[in-house]
Amino acid sequence: QQQVKQSPQSLIVQKGGIPIINCAYENTAFDYFPWYQQFPGKGPALLIAIRPDVSEKKEGRFTISFNKSAKQFSLHIMDSQPGDSATYFCAASTYYDKVIFGPGTSLSVIP
Amino acid sequence: DAGITQSPRYKITETGRQVTLMCHQTWSHSYMFWYRQDLGHGLRLIYYSAAADITDKGEVPDGYVVSRSKTENFPLTLESATRSQTSVYFCASSDAREGGYNEQFFGPGTRLTVL
Repeated sequence: QQQVKQSPQSLIVQKGGIPIINCAYENTAFDYFPWYQQFPGKGPALLIAIRPDVSEKKEGRFTISFNKSAKQFSLHIMDSQPGDSATYFCAASTYYDKVIFGPGTSLSVIP
Repeated sequence: DAGITQSPRYKITETGRQVTLMCHQTWSHSYMFWYRQDLGHGLRLIYYSAAADITDKGEVPDGYVVSRSKTENFPLTLESATRSQTSVYFCASSDAREGGYNEQFFGPGTRLTVL
């Protein structure tokens, strides 16, 4: 019940495309959903996060969509660029508790 | 330098040896974490610490030991390394003072190979 599922495992899109990464969870106590971005050879870094009281959050070209009833959330990257090529992790947590990460999605944006 | 650092960055050891991975942060963050990253598993929490002298197990604690005598340091020890502990290890920290949902700041990682 603590698991966070993530798909696809890998994704290849052309520059300008809109990659979508989907995540699902079971534990209804989760109330904080961050996304982390990791470049090769680096540690993950927070990209964007959402609380379940909103259905969508945008930061620049990155958008999180959240469906509380379906217990699903997704990351959309608008006008994707080669510099967006990285591994993306969705995650979930409760107040002051540890963060549970999904298995990650490796994104490649082809010029 | 400010931030979170890990040492060594790369380590090769043999089965049965004791290995200690170091983590140091300069922000005085109260929370610190150790994760291992393996293909197909993402980031799995090994141990975490809410403050100096307070530690707790994560998802995969077996074979690992941690201590936190000072706020800024959180070493991870593999008491008797096994091949299954070959992985990339990340240390992270976060500040609990800002209200419960806190960004975790990750170090650059240590790539450990156990032969």
